[in-house]
Amino acid sequence: QVQLQESGPGLVKPSQTLSLTCTVSGDSISSGAHYWTWIRQPAGRGLEYIGRIYTSGSTDYNPSLKGRVAISVDMSKNQFSLTLNSVTAADTALYFCARVGIVETPQAIDIWGQGTRVTVSS
Amino acid sequence: EIVLTQSPGTLSLSPGERATLSCRASQSVSTSYLAWYQQKPGQAPRLLIYAASSRATGIPDRFSGSGSETDFTLTISRLEPEDFAVYYCQQFGGSPPYTFGQGTQVEIK
Repeated sequence: QVQLQESGPGLVKPSQTLSLTCTVSGDSISSGAHYWTWIRQPAGRGLEYIGRIYTSGSTDYNPSLKGRVAISVDMSKNQFSLTLNSVTAADTALYFCARVGIVETPQAIDIWGQGTRVTVSS
Repeated sequence: EIVLTQSPGTLSLSPGERATLSCRASQSVSTSYLAWYQQKPGQAPRLLIYAASSRATGIPDRFSGSGSETDFTLTISRLEPEDFAVYYCQQFGGSPPYTFGQGTQVEIK
């Protein structure tokens, strides 16, 4: 059974850096069969695509995040990570890591982590 | 950026009724890149439909997807109590951002 688990600080100060890690179990990031993505959801609102990474290390990001975002992968630990710089209150949200299909369930998010809540506040 | 507009915002129906949810794109989206998700309070979204009309593993056949280009539909043929939730469409076509619709809440009438 494939599971994704987010981890990281729940509270970040304004202007600082938000860092989250997603640990994958039951699947191997290095298999190349999926993209690995971050999605966020402000309280009571809809879903926002942050970005994704492939096994090769290639990434794409939501342009609205204006170069503040980076996603990286550590295949030795079967983890991928999100870094978001210069955070403001607008970055307060529930952050999900998730898996995007390439062959099976192509171009759809088939497995989600449970989400981790991040609050930006001094 | 492709904007996905879902309608209605809220759908009030009774168990056993048919639900029809719309997702309209601001420009054409390949059917290969359109998905639907269900989200219940306090939970992560769950994939229902991918490639516009293919049911994900374990999804009951009362859920069906259809449509092409700019107009897509999710239909729940007979609502079960566990189907009352928020539903999102999402597209992975073209360039990022890979947008979501704003959601349709299906509530018990």
